[in-house]
Amino acid sequence: DGGITQSPKYLFRKEGQNVTLSCEQNLNHDAMYWYRQDPGQGLRLIYYSQIVNDFQKGDIAEGYSVSREKKESFPLTVTSAQKNPTAFYLCASSDSGVYGYTFGSGTRLTVV
Amino acid sequence: EDQVTQSPEALRLQEGESSSLNCSYTVSGLRGLFWYRQDPGKGPEFLFTLYSAGEEKEKERLKATLTKKESFLHITAPKPEDSATYLCAVQALDSNYQLIWGAGTKLIIKP
Repeated sequence: DGGITQSPKYLFRKEGQNVTLSCEQNLNHDAMYWYRQDPGQGLRLIYYSQIVNDFQKGDIAEGYSVSREKKESFPLTVTSAQKNPTAFYLCASSDSGVYGYTFGSGTRLTVV
Repeated sequence: EDQVTQSPEALRLQEGESSSLNCSYTVSGLRGLFWYRQDPGKGPEFLFTLYSAGEEKEKERLKATLTKKESFLHITAPKPEDSATYLCAVQALDSNYQLIWGAGTKLIIKP
């Protein structure tokens, strides 16, 4: 079945560490997105990519980095510069965005 | 500024008690309005896309409607399994396909 796979489901980060969240899709979608979700708030866009080897910052890109070397993959790195990284991270993809997004099951990141 | 506001923040209903969720939006030009369902600890699941005022879409006990300023998600005779957070998002014509999200309505259906 086609879909988006995010891993790991749970991730714990120590202070000062960089961690990478994986996102892989087999839907042949051109566009991919990373969102952060905090309780009581709407989804906030971190980064998005509409084509391989190209990506743009979203509303809250500081402290995060991404790469898009393959159409299927869009990993997100949470760097030590992100001061409040504890959140639920969602990856999504779309076929040009016109028909809505397909989401992965999310990664919950906790700082310990 | 483009904005989406959902109300109420939370809604508790008895099983079988019909109601509506509201999504108000301000956007320069609407390309589409999207409704999603999200269960705890999971990613949002796509429900509907609406493109123009007057449009309606149905799926089981859910019906989404659209006006020039807001959308309603009507739930008829809900069951406990309809309990979830319902998210609304809009896509503006000049948005490069980005979505603007509301904070969601948490729906709880009591048996």
